Amino acid sequence: GNSVTQMEGPVTLSEEAFLTINCTYTATGYPSLFWYVQYPGEGLQLLLKATKADDKGSNKGFEATYRKETTSFHLEKGSVQVSDSAVYFCAPHYGGSQGNLIFGKGTKLSVKP
Amino acid sequence: KAGVTQTPRYLIKTRGQQVTLSCSPISGHRSVSWYQQTPGQGLQFLFEYFSETQRNKGNFPGRFSGRQFSNSRSEMNVSTLELGDSALYLCASSLATFRDSPLHFGNGTRLTVT
Repeated sequence: GNSVTQMEGPVTLSEEAFLTINCTYTATGYPSLFWYVQYPGEGLQLLLKATKADDKGSNKGFEATYRKETTSFHLEKGSVQVSDSAVYFCAPHYGGSQGNLIFGKGTKLSVKP
Repeated sequence: KAGVTQTPRYLIKTRGQQVTLSCSPISGHRSVSWYQQTPGQGLQFLFEYFSETQRNKGNFPGRFSGRQFSNSRSEMNVSTLELGDSALYLCASSLATFRDSPLHFGNGTRLTVT
């Protein structure tokens, strides 16, 4: 079946450090790719998305590029802030039903001042 | 536009009891799905409703059930509660179920079973 592998956390960085969170998915079908973020005490919210190969999603300084050849969608940010501390989820969506949206295990990011 | 609203935010129940959680989706959204989130298992899909019909169901026992009303509001019911049902239950709505439709999540209901 479809699956997604996400970098395990927790990840602890100092403010202004560079962030990469790796994500790879199974190549069955042609999913759209999402990153969701969950701040403490809240539900998930969409961070960015890409719907076809070579698309780059971006939001709040975060970026991720849809790499079909490597089935990857790595999340990057050049300079993290304390307010970026949250749990990040990679989620390929294979369409047809929300049950076909597969969530990674989540990567907890803590940014220290 | 109001977001996804889940009620209540917190619940404490005893083993063997039953519980009903409520979710009001974003206006115009017809798809509502439910997820269970625990530290050990992460986010697990429970079921999805679209236009009052269950479209898909995850691997949960029959004690977990749901329904959707004509105004797209949804309820989830868990009967004969077990300690392992303690979790954050998240509801999400979307405009459609196409592969590029993002989910909009509520803040969840934190259920504690004692």
